Formats: sequence, C-alpha cells, structure tokens
Amino acid sequence: GESVGLHLPTLSVQEGDNSIINCAYSNSASDYFIWYKQESGKGPQFIIDIRSNMDKRQGQRVTVLLNKTVKHLSLQIAATQPGDSAVYFCADSAKGYKLIFGTGTLLAVQP
Amino acid sequence: KAGVTQTPRYLIKTRGQQVTLSCSPISGHRSVSWYQQTPGQGLQFLFEYFSETQRNKGNFPGRFSGRQFSNSRSEMNVSTLELGDSALYLCASSLGQGPTYEQYFGPGTRLTVT
Repeated sequence: GESVGLHLPTLSVQEGDNSIINCAYSNSASDYFIWYKQESGKGPQFIIDIRSNMDKRQGQRVTVLLNKTVKHLSLQIAATQPGDSAVYFCADSAKGYKLIFGTGTLLAVQP
Repeated sequence: KAGVTQTPRYLIKTRGQQVTLSCSPISGHRSVSWYQQTPGQGLQFLFEYFSETQRNKGNFPGRFSGRQFSNSRSEMNVSTLELGDSALYLCASSLGQGPTYEQYFGPGTRLTVT
C-alpha cells in the first residue's frame, strides 16, 4: 500500500480499549474541524466534524472534543477494533478557506 | 454509486518533464479539490474547482495548475517537474464549494520524479 508518513506519532492500543488521538491547531480563527481516517493504499475518509460553536460532538463509536482556549482537538474511539488501524488526521478551516491538515497519528490496534 | 476515480494510479517521470493527472468526481458532485501528500509535508491543499472556476488556491508555485470541465471532471498539471514533486496526489469531490461540504477522496496518483 501507499506510505502516508514515515515518522508519524504512533498510538498502540489493545482491541476493545478506547483510543484517544490528539491534535493541535494553530489558527485561532479556525471555525471548522474535521477528523479523517486514511488506510494504506486509500485516500482519507471523513469520520466526523465539529464547528467552533460546539465543544463536543458524537458519532457512531467516535467523539470529537474541541478546546478552543488551547487550540486542541481530540478524537475518541470507543471499543477500538482491528479495522480502526489507520492514520488519523485532523484538519481545520477558517471562514470556508482551505483545509489545513495535521501531521497525522498512526493508530495500531493489537488483537 | 461509484467513488472518485483517479488516473493513472502510478506514474514515473523525469525531472523537467510535465505531467497531467485526471480526476473523475462522484456523479452529481460539482467541486473537485486537489491535495499533495508527502512524508515530509503531509497533506497540503493545492486548489479547488467549482463550476469550472478555481475558487481557492494553496501555496504552491505556478508550475501547478488545474482545470475543470463542464462534466466536473478535473485535471491537474505540473510542469517542469522537480524531484520534490514526488508525492501522492489526491483529489476529492464534494457537492458544494468549500471545506464544510463533506469531501470524498480518491485513491490518489503516486508520482515519482527521477
């Protein structure tokens, strides 16, 4: 498959545990945030988004938390499964302008 | 519904040459965005086309250009290739303009410049 990053931070978790992936952004004007999942050989896939007027949003097995004070975003995955193994990216946008992507975190789920 | 398709999937070019990459969006999607992904710089936005017009542009030199056709298909061109242009080029389509519309990514074109 395609290599998406040679020196990514790695989070290793046991199957069934909860995972927390963190992301910092730099633009205080950012008002829209997205988490993407990228599996080997594939393009990024949308997971969940959140706007700056919220601090928490939940999806199926995933929760995104936004702390605008410290410009920090996190993705929580409940009951992590082997199929969750991938690189996870956060991205932010200000006023509908281009998305700025984080460097990514490799999530490795151990069976 | 078919996903975003990109052709070719792999490409090897020599420095100084030019290359054209193609992206076919999901049927009904009118916006196509292009991204460059490298191990060193990560994912970086190149440009977005909506209704055949470039609406948004990233910080890349003028060697990188694109266009969109009336059927929403898009092409990206890189002229005078440099070694540093080696990357995975991703395109994403969405219903509307701007990042708040969910973007659906294709599998990418792996470009290697020698």
